[in-house]
Amino acid sequence: AQTVTQSQPEMSVQEAETVTLSCTYDTSENNYYLFWYKQPPSRQMILVIRQEAYKQQNATENRFSVNFQKAAKSFSLKISDSQLGDTAMYFCALISLGSPGEGGSEKLVFGKGTKLTVNP
Amino acid sequence: KAGVTQTPRYLIKTRGQQVTLSCSPISGHRSVSWYQQTPGQGLQFLFEYFSETQRNKGNFPGRFSGRQFSNSRSEMNVSTLELGDSALYLCASSLAKGEGIGGSPLHFGNGTRLTVT
Repeated sequence: AQTVTQSQPEMSVQEAETVTLSCTYDTSENNYYLFWYKQPPSRQMILVIRQEAYKQQNATENRFSVNFQKAAKSFSLKISDSQLGDTAMYFCALISLGSPGEGGSEKLVFGKGTKLTVNP
Repeated sequence: KAGVTQTPRYLIKTRGQQVTLSCSPISGHRSVSWYQQTPGQGLQFLFEYFSETQRNKGNFPGRFSGRQFSNSRSEMNVSTLELGDSALYLCASSLAKGEGIGGSPLHFGNGTRLTVT
C-alpha cells in the first residue's frame, strides 16, 4: 500500500522569507512520481512541482524547489521569497507505477495537507 | 484553452436522494479522475476513466458510480445519499494514456460542494 504523511498540519511564514514543508511517503515500487499540489481558498488544486523517482536531481520551479531523499523516502518542498499569494493548503502526492495490467496501483495518493499562511 | 469545468458548484440534497455531478475535461485530455475531499479523510480517490472505460477504482461503496462519454466528459453519481457523503468532489483530467495516469500531472476543476442534510 502507498502512504503519504505530512506531519505539519499548519505553518506560517513572513512575507519574503523561506519555508519548508515536510512530506514522507512509503511505496514498495521502484518507479513512481511525487507531486506537490497547492489548493488556495478558491478550491482549485494547482500543480506546484513534480519529481520523477529515478531522477536524482531535485526538481525546481522558480521559487519552489524540492529536497528529494529517496532512501529516506522524504520529499520536502521549499518555498523561497514567500508571497502572500502562496497562502494555501499544500498537498504532497504519490503515484506508483505498477506492472502493466495490474491496474490497481496507479492511484494518486495524497497526504492530509499543510495549511500555509504567509503573513505580511 | 479552457480548464476543467465542474457543474454544479454547490448542491444541497437530502438523505436518501441521489445526485449526479458533471465534469468536462480539458480539450484533448482523455483521462478523468474523481476525488472526494473532506476535512477528516482528506483527498480520497474515487475512480479514473479513460476512453469511456473505468480503469481504476478506489475503496468506496457501490453507491458511488461514474461513467465517461465519447467526448471524454464524465459524470459521477451517488445514490441513497448519506450525511457522510457531504464533501467537496473534485474532478481532474490529464493527458495520461497507456496503462494509467503515470507521471502526467492532474488538472483539477473547482469542485462541486455537496451538502447532505
